[in-house]
Amino acid sequence: DAGITQSPRYKITETGRQVTLMCHQTWSHSYMFWYRQDLGHGLRLIYYSAAADITDKGEVPDGYVVSRSKTENFPLTLESATRSQTSVYFCASSESKAGVDEQFFGPGTRLTVL
Amino acid sequence: QKEVEQNSGPLSVPEGAIASLNCTYSDRGSQSFFWYRQYSGKSPELIMFIYSNGDKEDGRFTAQLNKASQYVSLLIRDSQPSDSATYLCAVSGTGGFKTIFGAGTRLFVKA
Repeated sequence: DAGITQSPRYKITETGRQVTLMCHQTWSHSYMFWYRQDLGHGLRLIYYSAAADITDKGEVPDGYVVSRSKTENFPLTLESATRSQTSVYFCASSESKAGVDEQFFGPGTRLTVL
Repeated sequence: QKEVEQNSGPLSVPEGAIASLNCTYSDRGSQSFFWYRQYSGKSPELIMFIYSNGDKEDGRFTAQLNKASQYVSLLIRDSQPSDSATYLCAVSGTGGFKTIFGAGTRLFVKA
């Protein structure tokens, strides 16, 4: 299907475990982003990528690792999950068209760390 | 720290009224301004963007930008119950891709 997908949609894990959240887009957009959304904080940027093999930190990168070996995929790994990483995670992609850099969001992954 | 501030609400308006949502930002170098709508349990979707000072209208929606005051607003005319959602203000600088989002304003439109 065309668009941007995330998997899993829901995940429960335990403190200390490694977790990988997947993101896949079919538009060949150059830019991809990972956000977390918590009550009272809105969307906070974790990492973003301008192209394959180019990634950079956002506002809250600690405890997270990303990679982008292919344009269409942008996985986010929590190396050792903590309770404070319980959140809803959104992946997004973007490509500037006539100066409009709209971001398209995936459906989100609700992660609970026990 | 670049910031985008919004009143968290909730803002409650009767059906048919005008809803006014406001946003301020701290980075004077900001170039692009967006309003995203997010229904409960769903992902954000873009409804308006504005780059220049003044007003921009699209159907029932009007975005207003005042760069001198570092202020962006969204007006929703003839509000409908289906407009009930959280509205996220987003701001980005030169290059546009590193976007800062506000915490959002919850809007309730009462039938």
